[in-house]
Amino acid sequence: QVQLVQSGAEVKEPGASVKVSCKASGNTFTTYEINWVRQATGQGLDWMGWLKPNSGNTGYAQKFQGRVTITRDISLTTAYMELSSLRSDDTAVYYCVVGDYMDVWGKGTTVTVFS
Amino acid sequence: SYELTQPPSVSVSPGQTARITCSGETLSQHFGHWYQQRPGQAPILVIYKNTERPSRIPERFSGSHSGTTLTLTINGVQAEDEAVYYCQSPDSTNTYKFFGGGTKLTVL
Repeated sequence: QVQLVQSGAEVKEPGASVKVSCKASGNTFTTYEINWVRQATGQGLDWMGWLKPNSGNTGYAQKFQGRVTITRDISLTTAYMELSSLRSDDTAVYYCVVGDYMDVWGKGTTVTVFS
Repeated sequence: SYELTQPPSVSVSPGQTARITCSGETLSQHFGHWYQQRPGQAPILVIYKNTERPSRIPERFSGSHSGTTLTLTINGVQAEDEAVYYCQSPDSTNTYKFFGGGTKLTVL
């Protein structure tokens, strides 16, 4: 089964951007859609967007449109999620998730935004 | 914006049956899935395509579907089942994904 390794915790100032990476093990990187989901402390799950690694096509949740970009490097079997114009309420754990039914989750990357 | 509605909390005693519902318009058109999240951990998939259970998930977990409502049923609840459960499904265009607000299952 594919395993996902996410990059380490980040601390950013308001207005900055953050780019989180997600490396997939195995040779199935182009098989499954990759999703990004975030969770603020004590809050629910918030879907951000998806990417189809083969085509590079993406889809983003309306609340993040214009601020989020999901990309991939097939040669590195790695996906990236970049969120710009950070605000304090972007402080959250960010998960990459793959699988037809979002069945494989990374351990999450904590992004803290404060001045 | 599309919404999936879950009760905020459900409480049951050990050995009893827990039922958690999820309501949303497009559940009559698209499959829904269920995730379990224990404190401090990433979610795990417990039910997919309304009723299917991954092989690693105990048999006491089951899912059902009727119209615009999904139901997650846990028979013979155990203390380790205490967690927050989320449903997930796409919108009518099958482009955007949504999660329900989550239901905290408390084992008394």
